[in-house]
Amino acid sequence: QVQLKETGPGLVQPTQTLSITCTVSGFSLTSYYMQWVRQTPGKGLEWMGFIRSGGSTEYNSEFKSRLSISRDTSKNQVFLKMKSLKIEDTGVYYCARGNSGNYFDYWGQGVMVTVSS
Amino acid sequence: DVVLTQSPATLSVTPGERISLSCRASESVDTYLHWYQQKPNESPRLLIKYASQSISGTPSRFSGSGSGTDFTLSINGVELEDLSNYHCQQGNSLPFTFGSGTKLEIK
Repeated sequence: QVQLKETGPGLVQPTQTLSITCTVSGFSLTSYYMQWVRQTPGKGLEWMGFIRSGGSTEYNSEFKSRLSISRDTSKNQVFLKMKSLKIEDTGVYYCARGNSGNYFDYWGQGVMVTVSS
Repeated sequence: DVVLTQSPATLSVTPGERISLSCRASESVDTYLHWYQQKPNESPRLLIKYASQSISGTPSRFSGSGSGTDFTLSINGVELEDLSNYHCQQGNSLPFTFGSGTKLEIK
């Protein structure tokens, strides 16, 4: 069955870089877009960006200068890296599978990230 | 960016009631409007896609309607397990955006 699981640090210091890995099973990364969505107390659910089945990426301009999404298809993993973290980046970060029509049909359980010194 | 406005922010309901939740878009999103249910400490779960298409596993009491800028999620006979947050999301144009959510609570 389809499964997604995020792993990452629970605590990151301000100005540092956040790295999260999403490991998937039950489908191929070369057949679906993979999305990153976060949920913060201040802004609720925010779409961050995606990596297409072909490997190209799109980012929300809100994060564009700080965000990078990549993948390793051999390991069934998608990666999020966001630099220059701020306190307001505190929240839960999700990976999700995207479909045509741009809805998200499967989500990981999320990883809680706290930005604090 | 397309702004999605959900109303009400909170809805107090009695089990068995028929209710409607609203999602309005700042510009047309055609039918690229999707609904998610999110229970406390859980991930969002896709409920309805393309404004009105049910998802396998979604109870039949849930239905969606609308196109363009005005959308409605209806629950025909609310059950206790439906007490959650409901979010709409548009997939018509980048950046994809979400509404701020409607919280369903018991009256």
